[in-house]
Amino acid sequence: LAKTTQPISMDSYEGQEVNITCSHNNIATNDYITWYQQFPSQGPRFIIQGYKTKVTNEVASLFIPADRKSSTLSLPRVSLSDTAVYYCLAFNTGGFKTIFGAGTRLFVKA
Amino acid sequence: KAGVTQTPRYLIKTRGQQVTLSCSPISGHRSVSWYQQTPGQGLQFLFEYFSETQRNKGNFPGRFSGRQFSNSRSEMNVSTLELGDSALYLCASRPSGSLYEQYFGPGTRLTVT
Repeated sequence: LAKTTQPISMDSYEGQEVNITCSHNNIATNDYITWYQQFPSQGPRFIIQGYKTKVTNEVASLFIPADRKSSTLSLPRVSLSDTAVYYCLAFNTGGFKTIFGAGTRLFVKA
Repeated sequence: KAGVTQTPRYLIKTRGQQVTLSCSPISGHRSVSWYQQTPGQGLQFLFEYFSETQRNKGNFPGRFSGRQFSNSRSEMNVSTLELGDSALYLCASRPSGSLYEQYFGPGTRLTVT
């Protein structure tokens, strides 16, 4: 299973675009990259998933380069309510195991 | 559609006791996974059940066990509780046909004294 590495924490201001990068150097062919968001005292919430190139939904964008050794979650115009922990994980379609890393604590300031 | 529900939300037990936690997945979801979350170890995968069968298991001792019923509801049991078992236990369900998207419940906060 691919190990993911993310920055421990990031600070931003309201209205800014935030990019959180995750590295997964030993990603396997059948691994998909997924991102979750977790608020205190709540379970994680699925944000987005992708395999290669760019994926966009109503919440975020996910950029995965051709070598797939890293990925970047982009949150456009963050607000105070985006303050949370963001987890990048490689989901292996063969094993159905979900391994969460340490996550990135994003703090959005006014 | 109702979300994933977990009962109880909070629990205090004494070392050596056993505990059973319950999880009701979203209607129609047949896959249920359990996770343990602690400040030191983060979110760790315990096991996943699909159609009453354990499909995958994390690296936890045999004191941690689970089962799934025919209505997809799942229970997790921890026997001979240790202080280190104090954690938030999260349950997640997955819709059929979706490999990546899991829906998490609010968790059960277990405190072992």
